[in-house]
Amino acid sequence: AQSVTQPDIHITVSEGASLELRCNYSYGATPYLFWYVQSPGQGLQLLLKYFSGDTLVQGIKGFEAEFKRSQSSFNLRKPSVHWSDAAEYFCAVGPLWNTDKLIFGTGTRLQVFP
Amino acid sequence: EPEVTQTPSHQVTQMGQEVILRCVPISNHLYFYWYRQILGQKVEFLVSFYNNEISEKSEIFDDQFSVERPDGSNFTLKIRSTKLEDSAMYFCASAVGNTIYFGEGSWLTVV
Repeated sequence: AQSVTQPDIHITVSEGASLELRCNYSYGATPYLFWYVQSPGQGLQLLLKYFSGDTLVQGIKGFEAEFKRSQSSFNLRKPSVHWSDAAEYFCAVGPLWNTDKLIFGTGTRLQVFP
Repeated sequence: EPEVTQTPSHQVTQMGQEVILRCVPISNHLYFYWYRQILGQKVEFLVSFYNNEISEKSEIFDDQFSVERPDGSNFTLKIRSTKLEDSAMYFCASAVGNTIYFGEGSWLTVV
């Protein structure tokens, strides 16, 4: 079955600390992989995506993610977190051949302390 | 930067009433979607729409739901007879290629 797992429901970091949010997927074919961010009361903003090629992808707001096929993972990283990064982060996987459906993980809520 | 816009941002409705949520997708996009997020839960796919017809729908998208692209720019989701469990944030999205862009969402509260 196709699924996305985000093992960490809630993460708290200090401002300036590094961050890694975990995402594992189960998908029958080569997936497209996405990270979205949702600030409180806001919509879903695309941070970055992986389709093919270089397995380390850069996104907006200083985020990056690395696709590791052997581990079925697509973890999101940021070297130095800012207070404005506090939000909910969703990993999602979709099919390579059409855009009919994204499957979302349950999300990781990031809290940033000054 | 072009964006998907949704109206209303928040609607409160009585159980059994009809609700229409409106969306203006990004203009050159070809695929359109509705997703929903019940408070505290994951984002769930409802329906996708391409070439003026539904291309896929989830089991959530039963007969009380319908979608329409009435005038080539708007994309609407109609819930015919709302139930308490329809309370959720409804996201419209559009895509070209393989990247989906979401709107800000419409909060629907059914009382």
